[in-house]
Amino acid sequence: QSALTQPASVSGSPGQSITISCTGTSSDVGGYNYVSWYQQHPGKAPKLMIYEVSNRPSGVPDRFSGSKSGNTASLTISGLQAEDEADYYCSSYTSSSTLEFGGGTKLTVL
Amino acid sequence: QVQLQESGPGLVKPSQTLSLTCTVSGGSISSGGYYWSWIRQHPGKGLEWIGYIYYSGSTYYNPSLKSRVTISVDTSKNQFSLKLSSVTAADTAVYYCADYDILTGYLDYWGQGTLVTVSS
Repeated sequence: QSALTQPASVSGSPGQSITISCTGTSSDVGGYNYVSWYQQHPGKAPKLMIYEVSNRPSGVPDRFSGSKSGNTASLTISGLQAEDEADYYCSSYTSSSTLEFGGGTKLTVL
Repeated sequence: QVQLQESGPGLVKPSQTLSLTCTVSGGSISSGGYYWSWIRQHPGKGLEWIGYIYYSGSTYYNPSLKSRVTISVDTSKNQFSLKLSSVTAADTAVYYCADYDILTGYLDYWGQGTLVTVSS
């Protein structure tokens, strides 16, 4: 069982928006802004999409955005595109100086 | 641009020790600012953080694996390594190395991953 809780799956049609939640505790998500999101296509290494809750690395489309409220962080993808279909993982730094991942969310673009 | 490459045996027998090395190019492990990390992914499952090391040798491990994990660094070779002892079939996974940016808290560059199978 993963330390951070994500929905197992979400889906949306092209052009729509979806949101993936990532729930932790005050010892991880709620206590730090070191929440990041990763996209993983089959057979590939994860790719950073969001860091420090809401920052996008260069090259990541602005359709991807992040936020946090209390112990829950969220990744929103607007204007869904077929290439967004992938697994998404959240990660957080913890009060023990360790890292945690969420269980992952499979995004299906209908 | 920093590149990381995992290397090591793809097959390990049960009860033995899994050993992997990550070679870093395009940057120096000794430059500071990063924790050099190991992450694994069981077949068809999610990501699991194993642990990381600072160039000075400070280490942090996943509590669930701590008793079996050792991460070390060789700054002269610009490499860091993972040893996981007493492996079982449950340790079969793709193992990734990555760098964790301490200042902004994210895993930046990743290796391509290497599949390690535990089987007799």
